[in-house]
Amino acid sequence: EVVLTQSPGTLSLSPGERATLSCRASQGVSSNFLAWYQQKPGQAPRLLIFDSANRATGIPDRFSGSGSGTDFALTISSLEPEDFAVYYCQQYGTSPPWTFGHGTKVEIK
Amino acid sequence: QVQLVESGGGVVRPGRSLRLSCVVSGFTLSRHAMEWVRQTPGKGLECVAAISYNGTSKYYADSVKGRFSVFRDNSRNKVFLQMTNLRPEDTAVYYCVRDMAGEIRGIFDYWGQGILVTVSS
Repeated sequence: EVVLTQSPGTLSLSPGERATLSCRASQGVSSNFLAWYQQKPGQAPRLLIFDSANRATGIPDRFSGSGSGTDFALTISSLEPEDFAVYYCQQYGTSPPWTFGHGTKVEIK
Repeated sequence: QVQLVESGGGVVRPGRSLRLSCVVSGFTLSRHAMEWVRQTPGKGLECVAAISYNGTSKYYADSVKGRFSVFRDNSRNKVFLQMTNLRPEDTAVYYCVRDMAGEIRGIFDYWGQGILVTVSS
């Protein structure tokens, strides 16, 4: 099973700042099959990025994904008030089980 | 727009059974694999079951294998999760989730609002 480690656990930033979230896999992720999700309190997760760098439908271009192999990142170029939330990475290699990281909370500084 | 609505959750005693239902709208169910993903504060997010667009392929997490069963009725726009021999560690919010692909792919592009299942004596 691929273990995903997200860092930092909490990121304290101000609106307008750039956020960079890290996701490290315990082994290489097949074909960069990695996704990022955003979750706000009381809501379900929402898909932001799939295949490491492709934005999902309706996702603003301030969200971008990068990385390959074992190291991946989600960047939010300029934080909007609605971006303060918890972010999860997830790998979906060639076969299940797929696994999620434990999340990075982006909070208002 | 795409909607997924779960029902059937609640409080149940250990060893008992529960069936979750998910009714979908806004897309053609028969074109997508579907999954059930659960979330707990301690263990985080876990995909417990998946079913391909036509029901011929299924996946179960080791933690629920032999106890949970996923099935679907495309004609009624519904997906189900039958849970038997429930354990306290099955306590979680359960999400009905659409897969981006028809075969089981693991990209969860739309989620229901979630339903709480509590297993407690």
